[in-house]
Amino acid sequence: AQKVTQAQTEISVVEKEDVTLDCVYETRDTTYYLFWYKQPPSGELVFLIRRNSFDEQNEISGRYSWNFQKSTSSFNFTITASQVVDSAVYFCALIVEVNDMRFGAGTRLTVKP
Amino acid sequence: DGGITQSPKYLFRKEGQNVTLSCEQNLNHDAMYWYRQDPGQGLRLIYYSQIVNDFQKGDIAEGYSVSREKKESFPLTVTSAQKNPTAFYLCASSRGGDSNQPQHFGDGTRLSIL
Repeated sequence: AQKVTQAQTEISVVEKEDVTLDCVYETRDTTYYLFWYKQPPSGELVFLIRRNSFDEQNEISGRYSWNFQKSTSSFNFTITASQVVDSAVYFCALIVEVNDMRFGAGTRLTVKP
Repeated sequence: DGGITQSPKYLFRKEGQNVTLSCEQNLNHDAMYWYRQDPGQGLRLIYYSQIVNDFQKGDIAEGYSVSREKKESFPLTVTSAQKNPTAFYLCASSRGGDSNQPQHFGDGTRLSIL
């Protein structure tokens, strides 16, 4: 069975702090895809990144970076120098089979000015 | 602009009433999805459709029904059989085919019971 665990329910930081959101996944398949989405207060989920199981290279996009480690089944997300606009709920998700995306419970990030 | 439009934004249901949530996309995506989001939980799949006139049940399809008569449209009906319908409903679409395609989401519909 496929499962995604986001152990951090809520995180609160002060602006300019770095913050890491954890994501641990479970699957027996060797081919899978991992995603991160951001859900701002408006409700829409915004796609941030996709990573396939054969590409363990870490990725950086501006203040965002992702650390994919198959050895620990983790796909962690770090925001550097956080800003108030980063406040949102962040979801990690896993796809093994087509059309079967499994979401974690989400981590609510609050960035205080 | 291409995107997914869900309506209404807020919806209230009376006891024993069926209600329909609208989802329209102009992204020319083949696949469409309906999710339910409850507080403190991730999204759970209700139904999905990979192609017009075809759809499949997700994890929590009981009490819901869908149709896919047009590529652009994937309405969700919450029937009276759904005893706990209060939730946030999200519609999504993707190119379909490969599982690595990201899903694009609408703004959601918040459904409450009167």
